[in-house]
Amino acid sequence: QSVLTQPPSVSAAPGQKVTISCSGSSSNIGKNYVSWYQQLPGTAPKLLIYDNNERPSGIPDRFSGSKSGTSATLGITGLQTGDEADYYCGTWDSSLSAGVFGTGTKVTVL
Amino acid sequence: EVQLVESGGGLVKPGGSLRLSCAASGFTFSSYSMDWVRQAPGKGLEWVSSISSTTTYIYYADSVKGRFTISRDNAKNSLYLQMNSLRAEDTAVYYCARDGEYSSNWHFDYWGQGTLVTVSS
Repeated sequence: QSVLTQPPSVSAAPGQKVTISCSGSSSNIGKNYVSWYQQLPGTAPKLLIYDNNERPSGIPDRFSGSKSGTSATLGITGLQTGDEADYYCGTWDSSLSAGVFGTGTKVTVL
Repeated sequence: EVQLVESGGGLVKPGGSLRLSCAASGFTFSSYSMDWVRQAPGKGLEWVSSISSTTTYIYYADSVKGRFTISRDNAKNSLYLQMNSLRAEDTAVYYCARDGEYSSNWHFDYWGQGTLVTVSS
């Protein structure tokens, strides 16, 4: 049972924008930084965003992150077919003393 | 180039044991905390365990506490996960992941390709 809740799926046409929400609590998102991962089919996850809104080198600025209170959001603009993947948020939960991931969101490009 | 290569997965009966290994290369292994993350077939990611660079801090998910043991050998650039009393619900691909260097906050910047553990009679 994931501690962080994400919508199961989102979709949009190529070139459009999607946003993925990640809802947590005061002990995880409310207290710690959020990271986001992209998992293409059959591959290992890849870091997209760290520290709520920072992009690692090599990640295009089409990907953005934000956090407010106990929720975080990943945005993808200029949607491409190559963006079809599962996306996960994650953070540390200070009450559990454990890492926690979101339930995952499948992005479909129509 | 950073590489993380897991091994040791396979088919094991319920109640059995298995030891996973993760061979690291391309970076100073002894300077990084490392984690195990698993993914059951068709399911999402689940964080399993974390170990700090000098083994001072070790954490486990409640689902594996008391059954799994994380360890590392900095001289061999290797991370391990000893899994005992395995259950069907432990069936998953197990990933080795490096705690990110971009900041001191929780994130993983490199992942292995994963090793499949199947618990079935």
